[in-house]
Amino acid sequence: QKEVEQDPGPLSVPEGAIVSLNCTYSNSAFQYFMWYRQYSRKGPELLMYTYSSGNKEDGRFTAQVDKSSKYISLFIRDSQPSDSATYLCAMSVAMNTGFQKLVFGTGTRLLVSP
Amino acid sequence: DGGITQSPKYLFRKEGQNVTLSCEQNLNHDAMYWYRQDPGQGLRLIYYSQIVNDFQKGDIAEGYSVSREKKESFPLTVTSAQKNPTAFYLCASRVNRDMGNQPQHFGDGTRLSIL
Repeated sequence: QKEVEQDPGPLSVPEGAIVSLNCTYSNSAFQYFMWYRQYSRKGPELLMYTYSSGNKEDGRFTAQVDKSSKYISLFIRDSQPSDSATYLCAMSVAMNTGFQKLVFGTGTRLLVSP
Repeated sequence: DGGITQSPKYLFRKEGQNVTLSCEQNLNHDAMYWYRQDPGQGLRLIYYSQIVNDFQKGDIAEGYSVSREKKESFPLTVTSAQKNPTAFYLCASRVNRDMGNQPQHFGDGTRLSIL
């Protein structure tokens, strides 16, 4: 079983829809939770960065963390064609050396049609 | 403009050849990382460096080597011992770890293919 599970999609929605992207995880030691957006042939771009359970909002994006269920979500309101990209969840865990290791989901491809 | 620059964007390797991927950052970050991205798989850590002149193996270091002689630079060499090098390689960096946990930021990658 992978430490982080993410549905690969593709997820196709019409412009203006609310999008829900999700990841589940098995390691209760994960401390920080991130969402990255990756356009084709580009590097991942940090969208959201959270620590505690609950919601964090930034413009049209809301990140939700439920540590008791080991489940994180990213909601995109009023989705735009420019949101079409692959969305990666990532989680960090502290190693013995003090190094914060990131574990990534496989990414969900989102397609927003005009 | 502050950021992480990876070069070249595309690279081709012949059999038995070593190739080096460049990663430079002007963000004054202490920590730097190399990841490999393959279709249908999450990013996998190759090597990381938390400080100049020090680096550690990640999960898939076999067939790769790195150096960290300068804070700004963390080149990755893909050696001939890496039998399946075709992938998208991503470099990342992170602000000084003494400032608490901070997220990693990525460059735009180098796509390596076999000739």
